Amino acid sequence: EADIYQTPRYLVIGTGKKITLECSQTMGHDKMYWYQQDPGMELHLIHYSYGVNSTEKGDLSSESTVSRIRTEHFPLTLESARPSHTSQYLCASKHRNLGATEAFFGQGTRLTVV
Amino acid sequence: AQSVSQHNHHVILSEAASLELGCNYSYGGTVNLFWYVQYPGQHLQLLLKYFSGDPLVKGIKGFEAEFIKSKFSFNLRKPSVQWSDTAEYFCAVNPRGSQGNLIFGKGTKLSVKP
Repeated sequence: EADIYQTPRYLVIGTGKKITLECSQTMGHDKMYWYQQDPGMELHLIHYSYGVNSTEKGDLSSESTVSRIRTEHFPLTLESARPSHTSQYLCASKHRNLGATEAFFGQGTRLTVV
Repeated sequence: AQSVSQHNHHVILSEAASLELGCNYSYGGTVNLFWYVQYPGQHLQLLLKYFSGDPLVKGIKGFEAEFIKSKFSFNLRKPSVQWSDTAEYFCAVNPRGSQGNLIFGKGTKLSVKP
């Protein structure tokens, strides 16, 4: 069982609100990721981090921002939520590529902006 | 751009039928390959992976996949499906040297009728 947690699981929020999606892992993984997933579509990488104080933008442009102050914590923030941000957000983590390893995923946050 | 194609959006089978889900990727270099499964209401979890060696990979719950390099394919198979295999299946590719970032297909929803 993977030890990676996302909160909240579901969030309905009004336009213009600031929100933070939490992601924490207890596996000591260096690498962490945020993916965005719409129904029937592939997961798109929006942010990733190689370790503390490292953040990079992914393949899909996103208005969200991330921070990595602690190894185990990789929160995603939307300063002003819009209906176009409605989606499912998945957090993942993995060890460094000392030999190939797989990513472990959280249960996701389903965000609805009304 | 690198991409992963999953040929079937929704597959409906009866119990005991055989399953094959197609996955093709577009990348000329060396890759790591994965199949993830997402059961209803649960997080994405690893079904099987290929890094090197025997191109026929066995995973959990009786699943297997075959890597055919010349066809850029990594099809998932199971000889006899069960109702509990109802889930969404995602193929993912990690091009070597891409810092471990996964590229996902759109997923295939499998519905198994009892």
